Amino acid sequence: AQSVTQLDSQVPVFEEAPVELRCNYSSSVSVYLFWYVQYPNQGLQLLLKYLSGSTLVKGINGFEAEFNKSQTSFHLRKPSVHISDTAEYFCAVTPWGGGGNKLTFGTGTQLKVEL
Amino acid sequence: DAGITQSPRYKITETGRQVTLMCHQTWSHSYMFWYRQDLGHGLRLIYYSAAADITDKGEVPDGYVVSRSKTENFPLTLESATRSQTSVYFCASSEIAKNIQYFGAGTRLSVL
Repeated sequence: AQSVTQLDSQVPVFEEAPVELRCNYSSSVSVYLFWYVQYPNQGLQLLLKYLSGSTLVKGINGFEAEFNKSQTSFHLRKPSVHISDTAEYFCAVTPWGGGGNKLTFGTGTQLKVEL
Repeated sequence: DAGITQSPRYKITETGRQVTLMCHQTWSHSYMFWYRQDLGHGLRLIYYSAAADITDKGEVPDGYVVSRSKTENFPLTLESATRSQTSVYFCASSEIAKNIQYFGAGTRLSVL
């Protein structure tokens, strides 16, 4: 079984400042990792994914994440945030080669960008 | 329109009533999923389906029933709604071996 921990439930940040949203996971097998974003009153959409290869992955809207296997982390970063980045962000994992495409989600981090 | 659609977007019902939430996708994706989203819990998997006529329980299946007679539809039924089932429900779909899930806009259900 897998589990995902997002330690920060809320992260306030000023516009144009950098931000990091933390994600740690636990799994007895190798996993694929994802970040999804949910804008108010909308469904989730994929921000980026790590399947294999380079541990630094780039996603939409200037976000990037780094997979660290030794620390079982997949933190999300953006060097300069915009008001429009205000949303809830979810980290998720699924096991390699099985799991039926099922995702295990973290509890989410609410990013609030202020002027 | 192509994509994944959920209906209704909002629903208010009373305890004990039966409620069905609809989910329709136009991509012919094999996998479909139902989640509920609650504050402090993130998204929790209720049921999923690998193909038509193949369904299985997720993390929180009690009180819910699903069916999948056609690939494109995956309705979720609350047989006798309870207040604890007040939540936002999301449907998602994905292709085999692609691992990326695509979500509908959600149904906000209130059980009074």
